[in-house]
Amino acid sequence: KAGVTQTPRYLIKTRGQQVTLSCSPISGHRSVSWYQQTPGQGLQFLFEYFSETQRNKGNFPGRFSGRQFSNSRSEMNVSTLELGDSALYLCASSLFSGAGEQFFGPGTRLTVL
Amino acid sequence: AQSVTQLDSQVPVFEEAPVELRCNYSSSVSVYLFWYVQYPNQGLQLLLKYLSGSTLVKGINGFEAEFNKSQTSFHLRKPSVHISDTAEYFCAVTPLADTGGGNKLTFGTGTQLKVEL
Repeated sequence: KAGVTQTPRYLIKTRGQQVTLSCSPISGHRSVSWYQQTPGQGLQFLFEYFSETQRNKGNFPGRFSGRQFSNSRSEMNVSTLELGDSALYLCASSLFSGAGEQFFGPGTRLTVL
Repeated sequence: AQSVTQLDSQVPVFEEAPVELRCNYSSSVSVYLFWYVQYPNQGLQLLLKYLSGSTLVKGINGFEAEFNKSQTSFHLRKPSVHISDTAEYFCAVTPLADTGGGNKLTFGTGTQLKVEL
């Protein structure tokens, strides 16, 4: 069974631009969660989508948004990029919301210049 | 709300020596507990998990952890480490399914394990 895939793996943007990251969960998994990893703040939960609905949201500004499609694939969008948005963005999939166990993708490394 | 504390930011150890990485948590509801490992420039790989049942759980690569509810701890151990175990290790918790908390992992700040010859 294929693991969680994320595209692109690396991305360079400039301040003020917007970016869209994509995540394909493990086949059969219906919950997708997103996390931001930075050296200063560590690993922080962004949001969770289950059955195309946002199930949980972390403490991030409204510039961070996401969605989930009927095939469980998910995208996250960051608008008006700031230097502090430079991070590794990790996607994790799970069978359902509350399943506990989550499987992570390799991440997308975003650099904002 | 949940919080996770990993007391040691770095742990140096010689190859073939035993190691213990400490993790304590705080939560107002019951939680599942996990240890993840991250190698440079990679995502997180699940080492082991405690969902229910026996408090001693065994994971991949010879790691094990013991859940202690009274001390709210979930320390990770390996009896004999290898150079390839050099990586960052994260302890994490998420609310039980019946709490309605969904799949929100709260992570500790990580412990860098450095195995030396």
